[in-house]
Amino acid sequence: RKEVEQDPGPFNVPEGATVAFNCTYSNSASQSFFWYRQDCRKEPKLLMSVYSSGNEDGRFTAQLNRASQYISLLIRDSKLSDSATYLCVVNPELFIQGAQKLVFGQGTRLTINP
Amino acid sequence: EAGVTQSPTHLIKTRGQQATLRCSPISGHTSVYWYQQALGLGLQFLLWYDEGEERNRGNFPPRFSGRQFPNYSSELNVNALELEDSALYLCASRPPGETYEQYFGPGTRLTVT
Repeated sequence: RKEVEQDPGPFNVPEGATVAFNCTYSNSASQSFFWYRQDCRKEPKLLMSVYSSGNEDGRFTAQLNRASQYISLLIRDSKLSDSATYLCVVNPELFIQGAQKLVFGQGTRLTINP
Repeated sequence: EAGVTQSPTHLIKTRGQQATLRCSPISGHTSVYWYQQALGLGLQFLLWYDEGEERNRGNFPPRFSGRQFPNYSSELNVNALELEDSALYLCASRPPGETYEQYFGPGTRLTVT
């Protein structure tokens, strides 16, 4: 089983729609979680950190469910510029353990259609 | 504030040669991470440097190595290149302290022929 699993999509949704992605992780001791966004042939950019029960940033809401070991990303009122690949990212170790590697999911490809 | 920079943008090598990739972190960031993103695959963790020391490495052979300089910039060396080393190599940096967010550079696209 992969450490971080995402539905690769593609998701094709009309502009203005609400879209949600889920991601599951296998290590129950994982400590921190992120969503990154990656445009075609570009570097990943940090979209949101998800540290406790979730957080919201404008049209974007991230939720964490530790019991079921999944995190989700909700995008409301989607824009054409939201078209990208969304990467679910997990840090599986405590900071004091020092490993500090991020484990990336394969990404979910989203296309917003006019 | 300048972001993470990487050079070169593109690198073409032949099988068996060596490649050297460079990364400059965001000013004030002391940790540098290297990742490999092969076509159609996710990002795979390669190496982590902090304060000049290698702190952790991913599941890659020893021919992948690197170092971090006193100014916190870093170099990734890949020896005895193989065709499957063709990928986008991404460098990320992280500020000091108990924070997990990493910020990525634009990457070096390595092509091995």
